Amino acid sequence: EDKVVQSPLSLVVHEGDTVTLNCSYEVTNFRSLLWYKQEKKAPTFLFMLTSSGIEKKSGRLSSILDKKELFSILNITATQTGDSAIYLCAAANQAGTALIFGKGTTLSVSS
Amino acid sequence: DTEVTQTPKHLVMGMTNKKSLKCEQHMGHRAMYWYKQKAKKPPELMFVYSYEKLSINESVPSRFSPECPNSSLLNLHLHALQPEDSALYLCASSQGLKNYGYTFGSGTRLTVV
Repeated sequence: EDKVVQSPLSLVVHEGDTVTLNCSYEVTNFRSLLWYKQEKKAPTFLFMLTSSGIEKKSGRLSSILDKKELFSILNITATQTGDSAIYLCAAANQAGTALIFGKGTTLSVSS
Repeated sequence: DTEVTQTPKHLVMGMTNKKSLKCEQHMGHRAMYWYKQKAKKPPELMFVYSYEKLSINESVPSRFSPECPNSSLLNLHLHALQPEDSALYLCASSQGLKNYGYTFGSGTRLTVV
């Protein structure tokens, strides 16, 4: 059965800290891995990773995929209170019929 | 327009009521999805429509009935729901089944009393 596992499930840090969120996957005919940030409502798209070893960056956030070891990390540097959210990792297979979500990492950034 | 719009944002309904959730997008996306999300859990797929045809039904109870009247609109008809159906219902769309640039709507927070 396809699955996506995120760790840690929750994390509390101080403003300015750097955090690394982990996502491992076992997906038949894997195609892409996606990261989303979810605050109060809908998940908002952060990154889609298809190729191994290529880092994607957006401001203080960056992510990379390792297709050999079947995992991805999401890094957030110089964290701010606005980064507090649930970070969801999701895997897509070649059929593209749906996303398989992990349980999410709840990040709390205190000032 | 780069959004998926869901209405209503909040809905409270009784177990004997019939209501509908609406989802609309004007990005030309041909795949549309309904997800259900319980508190502190990840979204769970319910239905997938591709080119206005039902592509996937994830064994959802018949008290949830999806409808895709045209390529921009996706409805979810609700009837005889149970309190455990209370959740955030998310609509998403993508260019096609094999395009993963999913755009999620802001969701409908449903409470069944």
